[in-house]
Amino acid sequence: DTGVSQDPRHKITKRGQNVTFRCDPISEHNRLYWYRQTLGQGPEFLTYFQNEAQLEKSRLLSDRFSAERPKGSFSTLEIQRTEQGDSAMYLCASSLAGIYNEQFFGPGTRLTVL
Amino acid sequence: QQQVKQSPQSLIVQKGGIPIINCAYENTAFDYFPWYQQFPGKGPALLIAIRPDVSEKKEGRFTISFNKSAKQFSLHIMDSQPGDSATYFCAARGGQNFVFGPGTRLSVLP
Repeated sequence: DTGVSQDPRHKITKRGQNVTFRCDPISEHNRLYWYRQTLGQGPEFLTYFQNEAQLEKSRLLSDRFSAERPKGSFSTLEIQRTEQGDSAMYLCASSLAGIYNEQFFGPGTRLTVL
Repeated sequence: QQQVKQSPQSLIVQKGGIPIINCAYENTAFDYFPWYQQFPGKGPALLIAIRPDVSEKKEGRFTISFNKSAKQFSLHIMDSQPGDSATYFCAARGGQNFVFGPGTRLSVLP
């Protein structure tokens, strides 16, 4: 396990459909973050977990978004009733809890909502 | 107050030049300032980071300068190469999450 992996890498869906993304963090990392990145912008924080506990959620995370990390390992991000405005790159990052908790990002899942 | 401003939006330099990217913040509670490099289709990769009690940090060809009183920090890339062409993001940590700047698209011409 050499890095953070995300699946799928690309997802095209129709408006109104539900989608689910998976993130596998670096194995010894206990923190996991989800970000959204739109074209020409930096990543925007959505939520983070320490082990299986979801400790913080951004106001960007509407009721249609839900994230889980059931066993403190991999995480899923589900978007229900997708809208065209949800089209973005969804990035996952992991880190070790510590003084600086340096984050290591996965390659992202690019979502296109038609 | 949670915003991190970054400039320029894009930058073109010749090989061997020294591109400089600047960032500014307002929130004095930010306590850690990393820089990320992102290539098209990839996630951001941590490049170098600095704490606010340090004024300068060098790692290889990359240097961060930090001015705590002005709440500004910058990235310098020495002897830039075409392979450095990428988008660079500054970030700041507040609490347990990070706020990112909008990015600078750097092109290094051969």
